[in-house]
Amino acid sequence: QKEVEQNSGPLSVPEGAIASLNCTYSDRGSQSFFWYRQYSGKSPELIMSIYSNGDKEDGRFTAQLNKASQYVSLLIRDSQPSDSATYLCAVNHEGGSEKLVFGKGMKLTVNP
Amino acid sequence: EAQVTQNPRYLITVTGKKLTVTCSQNMNHEYMSWYRQDPGLGLRQIYYSMNVEVTDKGDVPEGYKVSRKEKRNFPLILESPSPNQTSLYFCASSPDPFRRASSYNEQFFGPGTRLTVL
Repeated sequence: QKEVEQNSGPLSVPEGAIASLNCTYSDRGSQSFFWYRQYSGKSPELIMSIYSNGDKEDGRFTAQLNKASQYVSLLIRDSQPSDSATYLCAVNHEGGSEKLVFGKGMKLTVNP
Repeated sequence: EAQVTQNPRYLITVTGKKLTVTCSQNMNHEYMSWYRQDPGLGLRQIYYSMNVEVTDKGDVPEGYKVSRKEKRNFPLILESPSPNQTSLYFCASSPDPFRRASSYNEQFFGPGTRLTVL
């Protein structure tokens, strides 16, 4: 059973701080890694994708991938109250891009 | 506007009464998928489709059926709903699942259907 694990959380940070979310995965052959943001009662929204080792930055968001250690992380700089949501890590395993496996999510609260 | 649509958005029904949740995308995506989301269990894949007339089971297919007769539509059918199928359902699509490790794998979600089976 291919698994994606996220810290159980919840995570609470003050406004302006850096929020760090982590995710590990079990299938060493995984090729595609995604971070989704989900507001309560809404659908998941793709915010970052990463496919090779290293960092990928997009505005206040940075995704980090380390395939050797099988983890992927998301950093949110200058956190805002509007970043308060549940963040889902998702991994496409080697067996096929059709199998997107999600972690259970980490709830982030940014306090003003 | 590029989007995935689902209908209905909310549905309350009774055990055993057949229902269909529709999903449609206007992005000419090859791949479509259905997920259910339950507290504490996260998002779990029910069925997926790599192209027209090609469907396969995900992790929790029991009690569900799907069809893909047209590229844009991927309905989810519950022949005899039971209370344990009460959940939040999401349809998703992506451009081309065979172009791995690329943006073609990125899945876009519909707004969700909240189903209650009494």
